[in-house]
Amino acid sequence: AQSVTQLGSHVSVSEGALVLLRCNYSSSVPPYLFWYVQYPNQGLQLLLKYTTGATLVKGINGFEAEFKKSETSFHLTKPSAHMSDAAEYFCAVTSLDMRFGAGTRLTVKP
Amino acid sequence: NAGVTQTPKFQVLKTGQSMTLQCAQDMNHEYMSWYRQDPGMGLRLIHYSVGAGITDQGEVPNGYNVSRSTTEDFPLRLLSAAPSQTSVYFCASSPLGRGSKSGELFFGEGSRLTVL
Repeated sequence: AQSVTQLGSHVSVSEGALVLLRCNYSSSVPPYLFWYVQYPNQGLQLLLKYTTGATLVKGINGFEAEFKKSETSFHLTKPSAHMSDAAEYFCAVTSLDMRFGAGTRLTVKP
Repeated sequence: NAGVTQTPKFQVLKTGQSMTLQCAQDMNHEYMSWYRQDPGMGLRLIHYSVGAGITDQGEVPNGYNVSRSTTEDFPLRLLSAAPSQTSVYFCASSPLGRGSKSGELFFGEGSRLTVL
C-alpha cells in the first residue's frame, strides 16, 4: 500500500520569499507523484506530476518539485512567493489508487 | 467546458435521512471516484469505478453506496446519514485505469454536507 506524509499543516512565508512544502511517500512499487492545489471553496487542480524520466518537474505558476528516490521525498518549491499562492496544497501518490496527504495550508504575508 | 459537475453544492440532513450526491462528467472518462475531505485528514477514497457496471470500495466505504449505470454518471448514496458523515465530498474522474498510471484526476467543485 502507498501513503503520503506532508510535514507541516501550516506554512507561512513573506511575499517574495522561498516556498518549500515537504512531502514524503511510501510505496511498494515505483510511484507516480503529484501535487495538487486547492483554492477556497474549489476542487483540486493539478500543479505538477512525476511519472518517469527527469526527476525535477516543473508545474504551473512557477512551482517545481524534485523526486528523490533515496529520500522517498517529493518536496514542492517556488523561488518567490506571491499573494495569489495562498491556498492548500496536497501531495499525492499513486500505484493503484491515488492517496493524498493531509494537506499544507500556505499563507503569504505582504 | 463542464468537466466534472457535482450537485448539490450544499446540503443539510438530519440523522437517519437518506440522500444522493450526484456526479456527472462529460470527458468520457472510464475512471470515477468519490473522496471525502476532512480537516487534517486530506482526501480519503470512498468508492471508485473503472467503468460502467463496475464499482469497488476505497479506504472509507462504510455508510455509502454507489452505482455506475453509465460512463457519465457516478452517484453517491447515503442510506442513513450520521453526524460522522459531515464532510466535503469530491467526485473525480480520470481517463484511464484506476486513476493510477493515468496520472491526473479531474475534480468537481465539491458538495458540502452537514448531518445534524
